[in-house]
Amino acid sequence: QKEVEQDPGPLSVPEGAIVSLNCTYSNSAFQYFMWYRQYSRKGPELLMYTYSSGNKEDGRFTAQVDKSSKYISLFIRDSQPSDSATYLCAMSNTGGFKTIFGAGTRLFVKA
Amino acid sequence: DGGITQSPKYLFRKEGQNVTLSCEQNLNHDAMYWYRQDPGQGLRLIYYSQIVNDFQKGDIAEGYSVSREKKESFPLTVTSAQKNPTAFYLCASSLSGGEPQHFGDGTRLSIL
Repeated sequence: QKEVEQDPGPLSVPEGAIVSLNCTYSNSAFQYFMWYRQYSRKGPELLMYTYSSGNKEDGRFTAQVDKSSKYISLFIRDSQPSDSATYLCAMSNTGGFKTIFGAGTRLFVKA
Repeated sequence: DGGITQSPKYLFRKEGQNVTLSCEQNLNHDAMYWYRQDPGQGLRLIYYSQIVNDFQKGDIAEGYSVSREKKESFPLTVTSAQKNPTAFYLCASSLSGGEPQHFGDGTRLSIL
């Protein structure tokens, strides 16, 4: 079983839609849960992160962590064509050296 | 502005040649990392360093070498022993091990 599973997509939505991106993981020791956005030919950009469990909101983006189900989500409200990118989830534990990355979900937002 | 600078953006390697990719950060982060990203694959860890003068192999270290002589700098050398070096190389840093990482904009390495 992979340590993190992420649907590669592609996911295509119309402008203005609510987008839901998800990852499941297997290691209950993870404490940091991150979401990165990667545009073509660029490095991943840290969008949001959560420590432990719960929700976090930043503008149009909401990150949720459900540790009991080992499931994390990123919601994008009022999606824009500029949101078209690959979104990677990632997890790590404090003091560890290894961050586990999902393979990324490719998102297309159509104008 | 604080950040991570990778250079060059594009690099070409001839057979039998070693090439060095530069990574500099001004975020005052202790930990630095090198990843390789291939099309359709996730990020694979090559090397990481938690403090100056110390570094550890990641999952795919064969054919690569690093040094960490300064806190701000973590160069990666792709040696001739790496038989399939064509990839997108990403450098990252974090405040300490396990904390969220910040990435540079990558170096794309190709074979001539």
